[in-house]
Amino acid sequence: QQQVKQSPQSLIVQKGGISIINCAYENTAFDYFPWYQQFPGKGPALLIAIRPDVSEKKEGRFTISFNKSAKQFSLHIMDSQPGDSATYFCAASENDYKLSFGAGTTVTVRA
Amino acid sequence: GAGVSQTPSNKVTEKGKYVELRCDPISGHTALYWYRQSLGQGPEFLIYFQGTGAADDSGLPNDRFFAVRPEGSVSTLKIQRTERGDSAVYLCASSLDPSGYEQYFGPGTRLTVT
Repeated sequence: QQQVKQSPQSLIVQKGGISIINCAYENTAFDYFPWYQQFPGKGPALLIAIRPDVSEKKEGRFTISFNKSAKQFSLHIMDSQPGDSATYFCAASENDYKLSFGAGTTVTVRA
Repeated sequence: GAGVSQTPSNKVTEKGKYVELRCDPISGHTALYWYRQSLGQGPEFLIYFQGTGAADDSGLPNDRFFAVRPEGSVSTLKIQRTERGDSAVYLCASSLDPSGYEQYFGPGTRLTVT
């Protein structure tokens, strides 16, 4: 069964808009939460990651928000660009190597 | 520098046949991982190597699947008596830090079992 639930399955955003992807988990032993970006025909690439001792991490236009009590975390893509069109996966790990991935969100940015 | 490479990029095989999928990790990376990604899904963990040994093979679905990394670099995922349900993209990743931070993924091998 999927240990990390991701939503929405897909989203469309206008150029310059904000994309928001949400993930939820049950395993309280998870202590590492990365986000990956995947383009068609390519492997996933690490985008940004967070540990549960912080509530927010920002790198450029990408921000992770983390709510430990709710066991939820989200990715915000600010000022979305057509080049951001890809599939995004959240993931979680309790031992730093065995990643459990969400099902993915396909983001389409309209010019 | 070169990233993780996987060969072949595509493999079509008949049900019941044996296949080998190869992964060349980034030079110097001691940790290596195999994942399987079915259509429309996220990758699923199969096995993790630290050096030459399989530190965790709990994700291998059954005994038809086996992986080796004899010299601590290149790894081969072996699937015996393939079934149509084995059709997926098999991803390999490596990391410098044994703790697994920043796993770098290869492009994958798309396996189709007919």
